[in-house]
Amino acid sequence: RKEVEQDPGPFNVPEGATVAFNCTYSNSASQSFFWYRQDCRKEPKLLMSVYSSGNEDGRFTAQLNRASQYISLLIRDSKLSDSATYLCGERFKEKLTFGTGTRLTIIP
Amino acid sequence: DVKVTQSSRYLVKRTGEKVFLECVQDMDHENMFWYRQDPGLGLRLIYFSYDVKMKEKGDIPEGYSVSREKKERFSLILESASTNQTSMYLCASSTSSRGTSLYEQYFGPGTRLTVT
Repeated sequence: RKEVEQDPGPFNVPEGATVAFNCTYSNSASQSFFWYRQDCRKEPKLLMSVYSSGNEDGRFTAQLNRASQYISLLIRDSKLSDSATYLCGERFKEKLTFGTGTRLTIIP
Repeated sequence: DVKVTQSSRYLVKRTGEKVFLECVQDMDHENMFWYRQDPGLGLRLIYFSYDVKMKEKGDIPEGYSVSREKKERFSLILESASTNQTSMYLCASSTSSRGTSLYEQYFGPGTRLTVT
């Protein structure tokens, strides 16, 4: 079983819609969680950190459910510029472990 | 802004060659990391370093070694390149997670290595 699992997609979503991704993790000792965004042929960049039950930043909401060991990312009012691959990650001590990424395409 | 730079964006090497990938960060970060990224496999940690001259194996260290002689520089070495090491290599750096709830890894632009 992979340590961090996420649906690879692709998710093809019309502009303006709401889209949600889930990510499950196996290490119950994980200390914090992250969502990174990676554009095509670019490096991953931090989108959101998730330290407790969750947090919100504009159109983006990240939630953590420790009991069920998953994190989620909700994108509201999606924009064409949201098209990217979204990587979830979990941290234990100094190491991050990433999922394989979920590819999102926003359709005009 | 944090800046992580890598020595090459694209590199083509022959099987059996020794390959050096260099990474430099300018934020005085304690931790530095080397990943490879392959389609369907995601980002996989090769090695990381939490201090000068210190290193720890990641999930896939076989065929690789690393060197960290200065805090800002972390090198990945392929002693004898093989075709299955063709991949995108990403370097990252971060502060230590001790004593802080804030933690972020900053990535370099990546080196696409092709071994023929």
